[in-house]
Amino acid sequence: DIQMTQSPSSLSASVGDRVTITCRASQGISNSLAWYQQKPGKAPKLLLYAASRLESGVPSRFSGSGSGTDYTLTISSLQPEDFATYYCQQYYSTTYTFGQGTKLEIK
Amino acid sequence: EVQLVESGGGLVKPGGSLRLSCAASGFTFSSYSMNWVRQAPGKGLEWVSSISSSSSYIYYADSVKGRFTISRDNAKNSLYLQMNSLRAEDTAVYYCARDPGLPPDWFDPWGQGTLVTVSS
Repeated sequence: DIQMTQSPSSLSASVGDRVTITCRASQGISNSLAWYQQKPGKAPKLLLYAASRLESGVPSRFSGSGSGTDYTLTISSLQPEDFATYYCQQYYSTTYTFGQGTKLEIK
Repeated sequence: EVQLVESGGGLVKPGGSLRLSCAASGFTFSSYSMNWVRQAPGKGLEWVSSISSSSSYIYYADSVKGRFTISRDNAKNSLYLQMNSLRAEDTAVYYCARDPGLPPDWFDPWGQGTLVTVSS
């Protein structure tokens, strides 16, 4: 199975900050990467797919980049509603795998 | 509106069985692959199983292979997960999620989840 290593596991930041979360795959996944946001007690919500394509309705302050094995999610200016846990997911293989999550907390 | 609603969760003893259901609405269910993903309390997301639109292709995580069975009834717009030989480590919220395009694919949308607790 493809292993997804996400970092950091937690992050404290302030409203207005720019933050970056990294996801590394154990092998190349050809941009077959999605990012999700999850708030407590809620289902995950799709933010980006194909590494950099923004899902409809998601604010443009979210962006994604990367290639090969290394990918990043960037939030350009944190808003209060962005404090949540973020997960990456590879769909290069049908045995899908997720990163372990990054909890974004208010500083 | 595309909607997925899970049901069937509850408390079950180790070694027991449970069948989860996911009712789909707002889209042509028979055209999409579907998935089950779980999340243990306080933990991350774990993919469990996938089934193609016509049930021709089925995949399982190693952690549930031989114990869980995914199925679907396209006439009833429903997805199922039969869980046998349940273990404490199967305790989790179970989500159903749609593949929006040709699999393998990302998951969107997700249902609200149903909690399965395996405990004596």
